[in-house]
Amino acid sequence: GDSVTQMEGPVTLSEEAFLTINCTYTATGYPSLFWYVQYPGEGLQLLLKATKADDKGSNKGFEATYRKETTSFHLEKGSVQVSDSAVYFCALKQNNDMRFGAGTRLTVKP
Amino acid sequence: NAGVMQNPRHLVRRRGQEARLRCSPVKGHSHVYWYRQLPEEGLKFMVYLQKENIIDESGMPKERFSAEFPKEGPSILRIQQVVRGDSAAYFCASSPGGQNSNQPQHFGDGTRLSIL
Repeated sequence: GDSVTQMEGPVTLSEEAFLTINCTYTATGYPSLFWYVQYPGEGLQLLLKATKADDKGSNKGFEATYRKETTSFHLEKGSVQVSDSAVYFCALKQNNDMRFGAGTRLTVKP
Repeated sequence: NAGVMQNPRHLVRRRGQEARLRCSPVKGHSHVYWYRQLPEEGLKFMVYLQKENIIDESGMPKERFSAEFPKEGPSILRIQQVVRGDSAAYFCASSPGGQNSNQPQHFGDGTRLSIL
């Protein structure tokens, strides 16, 4: 069945560092791809999405490009802030079936 | 527009009691999903419901757990005879469904269940 594999954490970066969190997927058909962010004590919030190959989702300085040839949807940010510290989940959805990665905890230090 | 509303935010029960968790989806959303999250872990899918129907309950324990999404009112996740291992955060998500089957899920802030 469909599945998502994302980079294991935790990831610790200094403020203004470049961030990459890898995500690859396995799916038949053409799923939509998402990144969610979870801050402490809260639910998941949709960060960005892409619905077809070569689409780039972006929000709050984060970007991810839907790469069908490499079945990847890596999350990037050019300069992280302390406030970006959270857990990030990669996910795919197809025909109402949602699959999440295990989550990657990011800690940004001042 | 209100997002997904879950209540209560925190619920404390003693072993053997029943826990009822409520979820009101985004207005107009007909699909509801329940997940469980243990501390420092990812989301574990439990059950997927549409109005008055359980579509997929493959992630829900066969005993003590049940879920419903009635025609009127919120979705309910019910845990009978709770045990310490049921302590977790339970999240509800909703999505439009139908022609929008690849649209993202919208999450509530969760119910944190603690078993004494």
